[in-house]
Amino acid sequence: NAGVTQTPKFQVLKTGQSMTLQCAQDMNHEYMSWYRQDPGMGLRLIHYSVGAGITDQGEVPNGYNVSRSTTEDFPLRLLSAAPSQTSVYFCASSPTSGRSDTQYFGPGTRLTVL
Amino acid sequence: KQEVTQIPAALSVPEGENLVLNCSFTDSAIYNLQWFRQDPGKGLTSLLLIQSSQREQTSGRLNASLDKSSGRSTLYIAASQPGDSATYLCALGGGADGLTFGKGTHLIIQP
Repeated sequence: NAGVTQTPKFQVLKTGQSMTLQCAQDMNHEYMSWYRQDPGMGLRLIHYSVGAGITDQGEVPNGYNVSRSTTEDFPLRLLSAAPSQTSVYFCASSPTSGRSDTQYFGPGTRLTVL
Repeated sequence: KQEVTQIPAALSVPEGENLVLNCSFTDSAIYNLQWFRQDPGKGLTSLLLIQSSQREQTSGRLNASLDKSSGRSTLYIAASQPGDSATYLCALGGGADGLTFGKGTHLIIQP
């Protein structure tokens, strides 16, 4: 049981490049989400999914796309990277989005956009 | 919009002391409140979850309380140890809308 895994751990992009941050969980969780963590801002929700085939926007969705074709995987796509997207990205999952559900976080991807 | 404030932003205490971390929030319509621990360069680890109908939760040396009427939560750490050094984050859950986080308290326990 690996929990929530994220790849890559580190990435450097040039402005305008695209890439996909991978997230997978092996706990059969319905709910998955992406956050970004910036100094002085705390963690902010980018996108979330309540189940396979269902996604929705969070607080800061611009510049990012997501899809959820399977229960296990929830990739985050940067369409055209910008320096403002330099951040640490965390994926999280929980059994559902219910009141008693603890969220489990991955180890993060540190992204730098030059 | 929910706003979460954590005070103090940083705290340094000698080993063995009992300490309290504070979290305040503006909207009492919450599903739950969670306390997380984050070590440098690492992900978040959930410490305690308090459902909106509960008043407190305990795990080992940790005790978290929730007072929705005043918009406050506290995390009490008993008999602190150097291994408790980390950033502690308070987060409020609103169901499918995810978590709203405070900016954290950076805690250092001096040996």
